[in-house]
Amino acid sequence: GAGVSQSPSNKVTEKGKDVELRCDPISGHTALYWYRQSLGQGLEFLIYFQGNSAPDKSGLPSDRFSAERTGGSVSTLTIQRTQQEDSAVYLCASRPGTGVVDTQYFGPGTRLTVL
Amino acid sequence: QKEVEQDPGPLSVPEGAIVSLNCTYSNSAFQYFMWYRQYSRKGPELLMYTYSSGNKEDGRFTAQVDKSSKYISLFIRDSQPSDSATYLCAMSGDMRFGAGTRLTVKP
Repeated sequence: GAGVSQSPSNKVTEKGKDVELRCDPISGHTALYWYRQSLGQGLEFLIYFQGNSAPDKSGLPSDRFSAERTGGSVSTLTIQRTQQEDSAVYLCASRPGTGVVDTQYFGPGTRLTVL
Repeated sequence: QKEVEQDPGPLSVPEGAIVSLNCTYSNSAFQYFMWYRQYSRKGPELLMYTYSSGNKEDGRFTAQVDKSSKYISLFIRDSQPSDSATYLCAMSGDMRFGAGTRLTVKP
């Protein structure tokens, strides 16, 4: 079956512009996560959705970052007024439910470059 | 101090070598310990997970957890060039990842 998909795969933008990154989770997965991966920094947790609500948004680095999820499915991560330090790979993952050991399935990521 | 510390490497070994990858953590509330493998330009994929202290084996891979020392390891026996990837440890309750260790296995 289809895995987690993300779009675009690559995004180059100018400093100060807004960007939207999209995640399509595996159908039926209730939990959805956004992470940021910078070189040598590992995966930095950004936000977690359970259904359409976000019980944990503690990882969002600033108020320029926001995310929403609609219909318990697609999620969009928006970065306003992008800065060069926002350049990274943004990964989305989904998992079936709330079980702690449910496997997270990752998408291929969106590589964001802010010039 | 980061909650999860992992040496980013890079680590280069000859084919057939035993590889040891390690992470330390500070949060004693972590309950589950996972290892993910990430090939270049791909998302991470779950390799193994463990819950209790001790060893768990899956083919050439062994995951080890020492909760008293807050230390986890992944061993790869008879390493192959196809094992070349970045290996990330992760911990749950809250999903927290290490920086990832980039491994290259040379033929």
